[in-house]
Amino acid sequence: EIVLTQSPGTLSLSPGERATLSCRASQSVSSSYLAWYQQKPGQAPRLLIYGASSRATGIPDRFSGSGSGTDFTLTISRLEPEDFAVYYCQQYGSSPPSTFGQGTRLEIK
Amino acid sequence: EVQLVESGGVVVQPGGSLRLSCAASGFTFDDYTMHWVRQAPGKGLEWVSLISWDGGSTYYADSVKGRFTISRDNSKNSLYLQMNSLRTEDTALYYCAKDIFPVRFGAYGMDVWGQGTTVTVSS
Repeated sequence: EIVLTQSPGTLSLSPGERATLSCRASQSVSSSYLAWYQQKPGQAPRLLIYGASSRATGIPDRFSGSGSGTDFTLTISRLEPEDFAVYYCQQYGSSPPSTFGQGTRLEIK
Repeated sequence: EVQLVESGGVVVQPGGSLRLSCAASGFTFDDYTMHWVRQAPGKGLEWVSLISWDGGSTYYADSVKGRFTISRDNSKNSLYLQMNSLRTEDTALYYCAKDIFPVRFGAYGMDVWGQGTTVTVSS
């Protein structure tokens, strides 16, 4: 099983700051199969990034994804108040075919 | 409007069975891989299962393999999850979700999600 470890567990920042979220895989992951999601309380997750770096439809360009192999990053260039939420990475690969990271909580400082 | 609506979540005793349903609308259902994802109360997301657009291929998380069965009826634009031998640790909000690319098998990214249906396993 490929384990995804997200860091930090909680990130405290102010609006306007830059956020950098990490997702590290226990084995190499194809970039085609690495996605990032945002989840707010009481809501379903929302797809932000697929293929490690492609923004989903309607996602602002302040969100960007990068990385390859075992190290992937989600960057939010300038935090807006609505960006404070929990973020998950997800991979698809071998057995089991898909796993999520444990999440990073982005909170207002 | 592209929409997924789950149903079937109830309170069930350990060892019991349950079938969840997900009704899809607003897109060509039989073009897409579909998923079930769950979230235990206060916890993170857990991928459960996926099924190819034609129902010919399925995968499961180790935690549910042999107990859960995913299926679909493309004539009814519906996805299902048959859950047997339920355990207390299966208590969660269950989401169905659509994968982003048509006619590709895998988990490239889930771009449409339902609102979820709650399953509680308790005596």
